[in-house]
Amino acid sequence: GAVVSQHPSRVICKSGTSVKIECRSLDFQATTMFWYRQFPKQSLMLMATSNEGSKATYEQGVEKDKFLINHASLTLSTLTVTSAHPEDSSFYICSANRGGGRETQYFGPGTRLLVL
Amino acid sequence: AQTVTQSQPEMSVQEAETVTLSCTYDTSESDYYLFWYKQPPSRQMILVIRQEAYKQQNATENRFSVNFQKAAKSFSLKISDSQLGDAAMYFCAYRSAMWDKVIFGPGTSLSVIP
Repeated sequence: GAVVSQHPSRVICKSGTSVKIECRSLDFQATTMFWYRQFPKQSLMLMATSNEGSKATYEQGVEKDKFLINHASLTLSTLTVTSAHPEDSSFYICSANRGGGRETQYFGPGTRLLVL
Repeated sequence: AQTVTQSQPEMSVQEAETVTLSCTYDTSESDYYLFWYKQPPSRQMILVIRQEAYKQQNATENRFSVNFQKAAKSFSLKISDSQLGDAAMYFCAYRSAMWDKVIFGPGTSLSVIP
């Protein structure tokens, strides 16, 4: 089956620093990737849709300057949390569609971010 | 806007028994997809089953089956012969046929009692 990886799996950083999370589709090309945020015991909340070769589409209420998304290639999307604060501590999950249309999304294993 | 509701925050089932998880959704669209995802303690999202709205036949995957009632906008998941490994959070999800993003319900935490 399709595999999506994320790196790092967990990261601890100081308040005010920036953190980059990578999402890779390992055995397929993904024109679209998605970034979710999940707080403990809650559901996945879509943050943004990452489009290869164009700007990301952010969901309402998500600060685009805070969460920078770059979809540099058909297999890589990055999420950068800029000037991280403790309230940004969360579990971040990416997913990718193999090719759009009627395809199922495949999820990465997630990245746990802790901002001290 | 589309919404997905799961009215059971927590459920429990005896090992080897059957349990049904409820899901309702709201949409004005006629073509869409519905999913059940499982999230074990590892937090890796795992696709359990998928249903295309244009198909009348309920999807089945081994011990997992759904009861899809399009008019009622209901999409319940039945787990038969429950196993300890079925213990997890289960999320019902909706995806329009027109765009790729997936909307998740709030989830149901399933416990399996040995």
